[in-house]
Amino acid sequence: NAGVTQTPKFQVLKTGQSMTLQCAQDMNHNSMYWYRQDPGMGLRLIYYSASEGTTDKGEVPNGYNVSRLNKREFSLRLESAAPSQTSVYFCASTLTGEAFFGQGTRLTVV
Amino acid sequence: GQQLNQSPQSMFIQEGEDVSMNCTSSSIFNTWLWYKQDPGEGPVLLIALYKAGELTSNGRLTAQFGITRKDSFLNISASIPSDVGIYFCAGLSPGIQGAQKLVFGQGTRLTINP
Repeated sequence: NAGVTQTPKFQVLKTGQSMTLQCAQDMNHNSMYWYRQDPGMGLRLIYYSASEGTTDKGEVPNGYNVSRLNKREFSLRLESAAPSQTSVYFCASTLTGEAFFGQGTRLTVV
Repeated sequence: GQQLNQSPQSMFIQEGEDVSMNCTSSSIFNTWLWYKQDPGEGPVLLIALYKAGELTSNGRLTAQFGITRKDSFLNISASIPSDVGIYFCAGLSPGIQGAQKLVFGQGTRLTINP
């Protein structure tokens, strides 16, 4: 049982480049989330989704877009990466409240 | 926006001591969750609380859902070296379009001296 799978695990981007972080869950969960975690800080919610085709902004949505094409997958896109987006990104999913997390994507923007 | 205030930010204790940390919020939550994060890993769920006043244990861990639904605490008894890590509280509340919004506290970094 894979749980929540994120790809890639590591990524280095140049300022202005774009990329998509992928997240997939195999637990048939309805809600999915994207967070960023900066050194010494907690997890800040970027976007979340209740179901396929619906998304809502979290605490720090600026500079990001998301897509929930189906129940399994929730992707996070950086259209024009900035150094301030250097962070560790976590995807999570939940059905009834017990959210499960992926292993994270460590993104560096130079 | 919703904010969870978690305290203390860090703790330095001796092995065998008990630990207590808490979270407070100005918002009401339907569910409180406590997570532990080890270096380089994603958070792992420790305890989930679903009802106001609920007290739940998981081994040496005990957590409570505050009666006002705006706070929660986590206690760890007889700490051991593997308890080292960062502990996060999280609150789940209804969002728009049926989505449940899950927000986190700033974390408590636990260090144990053997």
